[in-house]
Amino acid sequence: AQKVTQAQTEISVVEKEDVTLDCVYETRDTTYYLFWYKQPPSGELVFLIRRNSFDEQNEISGRYSWNFQKSTSSFNFTITASQVVDSAVYFCALSEAGTDKLIFGTGTRLQVFP
Amino acid sequence: GAGVSQSPSNKVTEKGKDVELRCDPISGHTALYWYRQSLGQGLEFLIYFQGNSAPDKSGLPSDRFSAERTGGSVSTLTIQRTQQEDSAVYLCASSFPSSLVGGYTFGSGTRLTVV
Repeated sequence: AQKVTQAQTEISVVEKEDVTLDCVYETRDTTYYLFWYKQPPSGELVFLIRRNSFDEQNEISGRYSWNFQKSTSSFNFTITASQVVDSAVYFCALSEAGTDKLIFGTGTRLQVFP
Repeated sequence: GAGVSQSPSNKVTEKGKDVELRCDPISGHTALYWYRQSLGQGLEFLIYFQGNSAPDKSGLPSDRFSAERTGGSVSTLTIQRTQQEDSAVYLCASSFPSSLVGGYTFGSGTRLTVV
């Protein structure tokens, strides 16, 4: 069965600190997709990244980076030099090939204090 | 419009009443999804439409929940005889079919409160 675990319920950091949000997934498929979404206080979910299971290259986008490791079934998300605007709930999600359904983790609430 | 539009943004209803939640997807997006987000919880899949048909409605929690989509566009999620446990934010998303290249685009949600 598919499952996404985000063990960190809430993280608080001070601005300019680096922070890593953990995501561990379970799936029996060899082809699948992993996602991260951001939900700011306004409530609307914002797509951040999609990764397929055959691409284990790490990705960097500005202050954001993602570390995908199939050996540990993890897809962790790091924010470098965090800012107050990064405060949000972050969701990791999984989709198996052939389905369009996303299975979400329970989210990690990140609070960045000035 | 440019984004996924949901209405109403907030709905307070009495226990036992029926409610209808509306979703206007992005033009050209043939795939449409409903999710539910309860307080402090993740997003729970409810139903998926491809065009007007629903190949996956496995997430609907009970037969009080139903959804339809007409014209390959607007979708309505109906909850009959609402219960307090139905209180949640109901999110709609749309995408191009089976691509997921850019992920879904989500609406801002309808916050349903059953009193």
